[in-house]
Amino acid sequence: EIVLTQSPGTLSLSPGEGATLSCRASQSVSSSYLAWFQQKPGQAPRLLIYGASNRATGIPDRFSGSGSGTDFTLTISRLEPEDFAVYYCQQYGSSPLTFGGGTKVEIK
Amino acid sequence: EVQLVDSGGGLVQPGGSLKLSCAASGFTFTDSAIHWVRQASGKGLEWVGRIRSKPNNYATTYAASVRGRFTISRDNSKNTAYLLMNSLKTEDTAVYYCTRHEILGPPGDNWGQGTLVTVSS
Repeated sequence: EIVLTQSPGTLSLSPGEGATLSCRASQSVSSSYLAWFQQKPGQAPRLLIYGASNRATGIPDRFSGSGSGTDFTLTISRLEPEDFAVYYCQQYGSSPLTFGGGTKVEIK
Repeated sequence: EVQLVDSGGGLVQPGGSLKLSCAASGFTFTDSAIHWVRQASGKGLEWVGRIRSKPNNYATTYAASVRGRFTISRDNSKNTAYLLMNSLKTEDTAVYYCTRHEILGPPGDNWGQGTLVTVSS
């Protein structure tokens, strides 16, 4: 099973600042099958990035993903008020699929 | 419009059973795998299992924590997937979501609204 470790656990930032979230895998993620999701309280997760760097439909270009192998990054270039949420990475290249523990981006 | 609607959650005693449904619309159902993901209160996301698409012979895979107790199935004539949960434990208490992964498409681009399962005596 591929274990995904996200860091930091919490990121305290102000609107307009940039955010860098990390997701590290215990072994190489097949074909960069790595996705990022955003979740707000009481809501289902929303797909942001798939294939490590492809934005999902309707996702603003301030969100970008990068990385390969075992190290992946989600970057939010300028935080908008609606971006404060919990972010999860998921690998879907090998079974069982696994999620990281999440990074909470909170308002400073 | 793509839509997934989860239903069937409720209160069940430890050792009991429950069957969740995921009704799909707005896309070719047989072209998508259906995954179940759960989230305990205040915790992260946990992948439960999936049933794959027609080209992948509707194969099923499960997380170790539920293997042998949970069964995923689908009725393609009703555009509905199911999660049958047997031998439920208190640690199975969570909101359960279904989500889809269309073949050659992005994973998890649509999710159900979630249904709460509470296992308690």
